[in-house]
Amino acid sequence: KAGVTQTPRYLIKTRGQQVTLSCSPISGHRSVSWYQQTPGQGLQFLFEYFSETQRNKGNFPGRFSGRQFSNSRSEMNVSTLELGDSALYLCASSHGQGQASTFYGYTFGSGTRLTVV
Amino acid sequence: SQELEQSPQSLIVQEGKNLTINCTSSKTLYGLYWYKQKYGEGLIFLMMLQKGGEEKSHEKITAKLDEKKQQSSLHITASQPSHAGIYLCGALSGGSNYKLTFGKGTLLTVNP
Repeated sequence: KAGVTQTPRYLIKTRGQQVTLSCSPISGHRSVSWYQQTPGQGLQFLFEYFSETQRNKGNFPGRFSGRQFSNSRSEMNVSTLELGDSALYLCASSHGQGQASTFYGYTFGSGTRLTVV
Repeated sequence: SQELEQSPQSLIVQEGKNLTINCTSSKTLYGLYWYKQKYGEGLIFLMMLQKGGEEKSHEKITAKLDEKKQQSSLHITASQPSHAGIYLCGALSGGSNYKLTFGKGTLLTVNP
């Protein structure tokens, strides 16, 4: 079956702009989580969506937002981009939600490399 | 919040050597995941451990979760260049706000 698909793979934006990243989960998976990965901070949790509802949120400013559609596809938006937002953004899908994901596991996409100049 | 400490941060081994990577948690682990990442790419799932004392193996990689469920180790036997990459341990934090937290990763280099 198809894996988790993230688009685009690479993106270059200017400070102050906004950006939207897309994640299509594995068919049948209803949970989508987003992560930011930087060399200094490692992988940091952004948020998790399950059945179109945000269930968990990490410690990121309000410029970071997301949503999930009825087909479980998810988008992540970053407004007023800063240089420090340059990172690899990864999404992961799971069949279950929260603790249930301990039984189903998480499958990650290849990521979107965002560069802010 | 749960913190995961990985050691060592980086490791260089000669092809054919065995190696171990450790992951220590500040709290009891409800589910411990091991992933491998090639630089700039997504995470590849290796193994998931849930029960204290559990051990799983796949090809030349073995992962264990200790009885107290606060430490896990990943052991690679007879390493190969294909094993090179970043190894990450991840765990679900409990309470009412489940989310997957990761260690900083261990960079493994295998010299032929």
